Amino acid sequence: GAVVSQHPSWVICKSGTSVKIECRSLDFQATTMFWYRQFPKQSLMLMATSNEGSKATYEQGVEKDKFLINHASLTLSTLTVTSAHPEDSSFYICSAYTGGIYGYTFGSGTRLTVV
Amino acid sequence: GQQLNQSPQSMFIQEGEDVSMNCTSSSIFNTWLWYKQEPGEGPVLLIALYKAGELTSNGRLTAQFGITRKDSFLNISASIPSDVGIYFCAGQRETSGSRLTFGEGTQLTVNP
Repeated sequence: GAVVSQHPSWVICKSGTSVKIECRSLDFQATTMFWYRQFPKQSLMLMATSNEGSKATYEQGVEKDKFLINHASLTLSTLTVTSAHPEDSSFYICSAYTGGIYGYTFGSGTRLTVV
Repeated sequence: GQQLNQSPQSMFIQEGEDVSMNCTSSSIFNTWLWYKQEPGEGPVLLIALYKAGELTSNGRLTAQFGITRKDSFLNISASIPSDVGIYFCAGQRETSGSRLTFGEGTQLTVNP
């Protein structure tokens, strides 16, 4: 079946630094990648949608200069949290969409803690 | 983005009991998906529904796509301790392309 590999699974960083999260589709090509954030005991909130080779579309209220998304190939998308602050601490999850039988495949998530 | 109305928020049941949860919306959906999420993990797909009225089973799980296309339910029969987790509905709205809207989740606790 379809697998999305997300790394790292957890990261602790200092305030003001940047963190990059990677999502790779291992055995299929993802035309679209979605990035979500999830706070404790809450649902997944869509941050942005990215299509390979084009700029990401951000949801209302999500700062595009803070959450940089790159989708350079059909198998790799990255989310960079720039100048991270404690309020950026959250669980970030990617999801690859193919539109076919695999539909949506989620990564295992990245727990970001900013200290 | 908008969220679906999912209920109940939490359930505490005894092993062997049946469980039912549902999602409703004022919007029309083309696809309904049910996921389970365990702590520190991403959601895992349980059941996908693509047509109004569709009733689909996956082992002890059964889900239905409402006739109005605005709701869906998930039933779990004869619950076991490993059913513990958070269950989310998610829908692909008619007007939102491939973007998914998620419900608020149902936290299920199963007492042995």
